[in-house]
Amino acid sequence: GAGVSQSPSNKVTEKGKDVELRCDPISGHTALYWYRQSLGQGLEFLIYFQGNSAPDKSGLPSDRFSAERTGGSVSTLTIQRTQQEDSAVYLCASSLRSTGENIQYFGAGTRLSVL
Amino acid sequence: GQSLEQPSEVTAVEGAIVQINCTYQTSGFYGLSWYQQHDGGAPTFLSYNGLDGLEETGRFSSFLSRSDSYGYLLLQELQMKDSASYFCAVRASGFQKLVFGTGTRLLVSP
Repeated sequence: GAGVSQSPSNKVTEKGKDVELRCDPISGHTALYWYRQSLGQGLEFLIYFQGNSAPDKSGLPSDRFSAERTGGSVSTLTIQRTQQEDSAVYLCASSLRSTGENIQYFGAGTRLSVL
Repeated sequence: GQSLEQPSEVTAVEGAIVQINCTYQTSGFYGLSWYQQHDGGAPTFLSYNGLDGLEETGRFSSFLSRSDSYGYLLLQELQMKDSASYFCAVRASGFQKLVFGTGTRLLVSP
């Protein structure tokens, strides 16, 4: 596609429920990142995928968070047993291997609200 | 680990020039990037410095001094639409991820 696409744009859920957030990167981009941004804060790195390499999961805050990337394209971030502190905007970004990880293209994000 | 410091807020008037500073600490260094984010919007890439010196892109310029672990973003001929948050980000050598600063909120007034 023309840009990074994320869905849903907004998600309201009840505490304890599981949620799945989807990211469709720019076609041809081999690198994909997930970030979390709380209101008025910076971007917190969650996980990074590059081609067929093992993902860098070092930013995942707990074992309730997981992500997968199927076929080197679409990625799904799953949060199990959501907590109120999980409320944030979840941003996905992708980049070309040739330009490196410094130039990333972001989606509009999914705003997650846990009641 | 890596850490970045930038001012939380900067105010300026239309037509003025503003400089947003960023100091960083990393174990190794592989580039300083700048991103702009309007309220409710996605971060967008502005500029990248891999080597010392000034990079110019239209009204925006970015500077890097690796010996001082310091960089800045310079915005000239400010416009109201430049009101946004600006984030610096570093990539440490050996790491594939960017670490972002907490952002500087720029408010441009008429």
